[in-house]
Amino acid sequence: GAGVSQSPSNKVTEKGKDVELRCDPISGHTALYWYRQSLGQGLEFLIYFQGNSAPDKSGLPSDRFSAERTGGSVSTLTIQRTQQEDSAVYLCASSLEQMISGNTIYFGEGSWLTVV
Amino acid sequence: DQQVKQNSPSLSVQEGRISILNCDYTNSMFDYFLWYKKYPAEGPTFLISISSIKDKNEDGRFTVFLNKSAKHLSLHIVPSQPGDSAVYFCAVRKQGAQKLVFGQGTRLTINP
Repeated sequence: GAGVSQSPSNKVTEKGKDVELRCDPISGHTALYWYRQSLGQGLEFLIYFQGNSAPDKSGLPSDRFSAERTGGSVSTLTIQRTQQEDSAVYLCASSLEQMISGNTIYFGEGSWLTVV
Repeated sequence: DQQVKQNSPSLSVQEGRISILNCDYTNSMFDYFLWYKKYPAEGPTFLISISSIKDKNEDGRFTVFLNKSAKHLSLHIVPSQPGDSAVYFCAVRKQGAQKLVFGQGTRLTINP
């Protein structure tokens, strides 16, 4: 596809339910990132995938959060037993393998999650 | 521990004037600096970048300045246009790292 595609664009869920957010990166991009932006906050790094390497999970806020990337392409971010503080925009991004000068991360439009 | 700070949550500028957005960072190991622009209900889009070997990079109305001794980054937009109204995020990358660290963002409003 032409850009990073995310689904759903909006999700309202009840506290305690599990949610899955999907990301389809730009074709040919081997690096995939998940960030989130809570209300009034900046972009918070969650997790990073690069090819077949072990993902960098250092930004995941708790063990309720997990992510996988199948076949080096599509990624799913799963939040178990959602809490109200999980409400945020979840942004997926992809980039070329080599982050040389001029290469940047390209973001999707985000998945807006509201936990009620 | 906020490694990247944008201390002004909002900025209002008159159309045609210069907009200056600021960003401070704490780690001298950061070697690549970027600015992103975000409209409501859209993902951030890349605007301009600069590597640590430079102190200025210009692209049309947008210029990024890097002051390594002060660990300070700024974005100048001149002349400002109504379409520039958005949230601007600075982002930094550490040498050898792949992920970007973002500031909190500054909401820029350009008044006609």
